[in-house]
Amino acid sequence: SAVISQKPSRDICQRGTSLTIQCQVDSQVTMMFWYRQQPGQSLTLIATANQGSEATYESGFVIDKFPISRPNLTFSTLTVSNMSPEDSSIYLCSATSGGPPYEQYFGPGTRLTVT
Amino acid sequence: AQSVTQLDSQVPVFEEAPVELRCNYSSSVSVYLFWYVQYPNQGLQLLLKYLSGSTLVKGINGFEAEFNKSQTSFHLRKPSVHISDTAEYFCAVSRMDSSYKLIFGSGTRLLVRP
Repeated sequence: SAVISQKPSRDICQRGTSLTIQCQVDSQVTMMFWYRQQPGQSLTLIATANQGSEATYESGFVIDKFPISRPNLTFSTLTVSNMSPEDSSIYLCSATSGGPPYEQYFGPGTRLTVT
Repeated sequence: AQSVTQLDSQVPVFEEAPVELRCNYSSSVSVYLFWYVQYPNQGLQLLLKYLSGSTLVKGINGFEAEFNKSQTSFHLRKPSVHISDTAEYFCAVSRMDSSYKLIFGSGTRLLVRP
């Protein structure tokens, strides 16, 4: 298994600003993922981050709004750009290593409130 | 495409009573099945998983789940719940044909009362 940490754990931001969330894994992993969990709802995959290549975004999410970096096999960042109140959510990082079934381990999440 | 349905948004139960959280899925290909738990203000923790073999899967914290292929279900059970089991439970699937994507259900909030 992998232990994942995220920074910050929570933040309150003003609309129009940007926030970068960091995700650190205690071991090397092949793929890292970023999810959004809106209040009282399930998880929605934003994008998959592979080292050395651009992130792959899911339908409804774009790089200009959610730029992602993956500089090495243990670290990734997600930036939420030009924030609006609708971006208020929990953002979760997860990671997997090896092949199928690609079991994912999750970080504790970043609770973002946009005012 | 795959989909996951968790029929109950909230399940209230008294402490030490048994509980079943229901999960049904839809998929045109074989899938792996997972149950995750999310305690308040925390991330997701894997409870158990079904990959192949025995249809009864045992997980952490006394939980178990049974895979029923004919009914496309993967219900989660615990014979006696504790107050500390109060949390959100998510059922999820991923395709066996090497897809890494997890598709989550909408979640079931288990509320254990004394």
